[in-house]
Amino acid sequence: EVQLLESGGGLVQPGGSLRLSCTASGFTFSSYALTWVRQAPGMGLEWVSAITGFGGSTYYADSVKGRFSISRDNSKNSLYLQMNSLRTEDTAVYYCARYPGYSYGQARVDYWGQGALVTVSS
Amino acid sequence: QSVLTQPPSASGTPGQRVTISCSGSSSSIGSNTVNWYQQLPGTAPKLLIYDDNQRPSGVPDRFSGSKSGTSASLAISGLQSEDEADYYCAAWDDSLNGPVFGGGTKLTVL
Repeated sequence: EVQLLESGGGLVQPGGSLRLSCTASGFTFSSYALTWVRQAPGMGLEWVSAITGFGGSTYYADSVKGRFSISRDNSKNSLYLQMNSLRTEDTAVYYCARYPGYSYGQARVDYWGQGALVTVSS
Repeated sequence: QSVLTQPPSASGTPGQRVTISCSGSSSSIGSNTVNWYQQLPGTAPKLLIYDDNQRPSGVPDRFSGSKSGTSASLAISGLQSEDEADYYCAAWDDSLNGPVFGGGTKLTVL
């Protein structure tokens, strides 16, 4: 059974940093591209970042480019999102999700984690 | 302002058929396949329809998708109370070079 479990969410002040982790199980981790999607309170879904199967390529939404960094450790079946210079508008539930294959370049995600809440507030 | 446009709400009574629309552009829906996600209250989204009209294993055939030009639709027949959820469409956008979502439609079963 495919499982994705996020951790590392919490309360942080504006301008601060936070690192989210996503631990995966139930599939060959390195064979799949992964992504982070966020959802602000009461709002819709917003794609944040993606990384290919071996981490050779990364992609970012304009709203987080230069502040967020996505990475993965295939030996630990883990995905990460380093978030720096956080703003109040970054407050959201962050979901880790899996693409159905190795590469990026599509909007189909077949499995989602349960989400981690990040609150940016003073 | 979402790149894909959905009605904010929809409703129906048990047993009815309801449709949810999703409008995009030539660079999104007009050039790429559409996916639909269902988000039950307090839970993570779940893939409901992919590649315009394909259902993942386990999704009832009451759910169906279609596409024409730059618009897509999700149809739910034999509406059930457990279908009450938020529904999101998504597609790749060639101009933005990334995936885009609709703003979501809250479905209420009366």
